[in-house]
Amino acid sequence: GAVVSQHPSWVICKSGTSVKIECRSLDFQATTMFWYRQFPKQSLMLMATSNEGSKATYEQGVEKDKFLINHASLTLSTLTVTSAHPEDSSFYICSALQGLTYEQYFGPGTRLTVT
Amino acid sequence: QKEVEQNSGPLSVPEGAIASLNCTYSDRGSQSFFWYRQYSGKSPELIMSIYSNGDKEDGRFTAQLNKASQYVSLLIRDSQPSDSATYLCAVKRRDDKIIFGKGTRLHILP
Repeated sequence: GAVVSQHPSWVICKSGTSVKIECRSLDFQATTMFWYRQFPKQSLMLMATSNEGSKATYEQGVEKDKFLINHASLTLSTLTVTSAHPEDSSFYICSALQGLTYEQYFGPGTRLTVT
Repeated sequence: QKEVEQNSGPLSVPEGAIASLNCTYSDRGSQSFFWYRQYSGKSPELIMSIYSNGDKEDGRFTAQLNKASQYVSLLIRDSQPSDSATYLCAVKRRDDKIIFGKGTRLHILP
């Protein structure tokens, strides 16, 4: 299957600071990438859909000014959590969409802890 | 009715038996269906995709699709303890949006 990387795999930051997470599709071009958040023992929650060269589409209830998404190339999407607070602590997972099959390939996730 | 429904489980299956995981969906125009496996603390990984009615087999896994009944299932033969995980069903709606179910927790009993 296709490979998607995510960096960093874990990060600890102080309240009020910003954190950037990178998502790369390593062996295919992805016009569309997705960002998910998952709290412990909870199901995946889609935050936003990222399309190369255009603005991201955010799900209802997700603050677009807090979670900045940039999809500058066909292999890279970034999520920046701005002015992070402890309640933003979660497991953030990206995925890249294989356009012909609509199969999603997930990155390994980034565990964010805000102190 | 939820768009993609799965029994949350846990589903307990003895080692070596067949595990049967089920999923129903509401959009009759859906065309693409996916099963993902997620181990605790890890991200999901794609197991199988299925696009047409009938069965699709890959090793110990068989996906079954019945569009008339809006039902998709995953069978795991010769279940192993390493199959213990949460299994997520995903459906691509006619508007191309992909919806995930909340997942079924599977426990394989040694």
